[in-house]
Amino acid sequence: GQQLNQSPQSMFIQEGEDVSMNCTSSSIFNTWLWYKQDPGEGPVLLIALYKAGELTSNGRLTAQFGITRKDSFLNISASIPSDVGIYFCAGPPGDSNYQLIWGAGTKLIIKP
Amino acid sequence: DAGVIQSPRHEVTEMGQEVTLRCKPISGHDYLFWYRQTMMRGLELLIYFNNNVPIDDSGMPEDRFSAKMPNASFSTLKIQPSEPRDSAVYFCASSAASGRGKGKETQYFGPGTRLLVL
Repeated sequence: GQQLNQSPQSMFIQEGEDVSMNCTSSSIFNTWLWYKQDPGEGPVLLIALYKAGELTSNGRLTAQFGITRKDSFLNISASIPSDVGIYFCAGPPGDSNYQLIWGAGTKLIIKP
Repeated sequence: DAGVIQSPRHEVTEMGQEVTLRCKPISGHDYLFWYRQTMMRGLELLIYFNNNVPIDDSGMPEDRFSAKMPNASFSTLKIQPSEPRDSAVYFCASSAASGRGKGKETQYFGPGTRLLVL
């Protein structure tokens, strides 16, 4: 079945650094979603992408929908301690609008 | 509007006991999802409902797990009998997927129930 591969699995960064992570698939997705999960909480939607090539920002976060429709990227600029958490990519498989395929997540850790 | 509400937030029980997890979706949402999250397996979809009807329960691990949605504002996930390997965080999420336009695929998650089976 369809799978989403996220990389890296985890990142150790210094406060103030920029962060990049990506998500790839062997099949086409029509929508890409990026979620963040804070420790002890459920995932929360950060950015939704609906069109190939689309670049969308939400504060210090920027996400792009890959031209091939098989990948997506999330960048965080000037990281701060509250950026710590797990970032998930997700997308509806095929023509489905309700069920989501989830990546395994990228865990962001900020070094003191 | 209140988000997805789950109870209890934490549950510790002994092997063999029955566990019932509860969820109240966002009002007006017509899809409800139950997920399980563990370190080893990540986020797994267990079952989802549309308009209170179970659509796909292929993710339910075994017959010890059952889920119901008696009305649009309440769902339960029951484990009977519970086993230590059921220890995980269980999330409920809802969406208004039957709506029009962008955003209908967005799922809104509750805070989760952290289950520990001893």
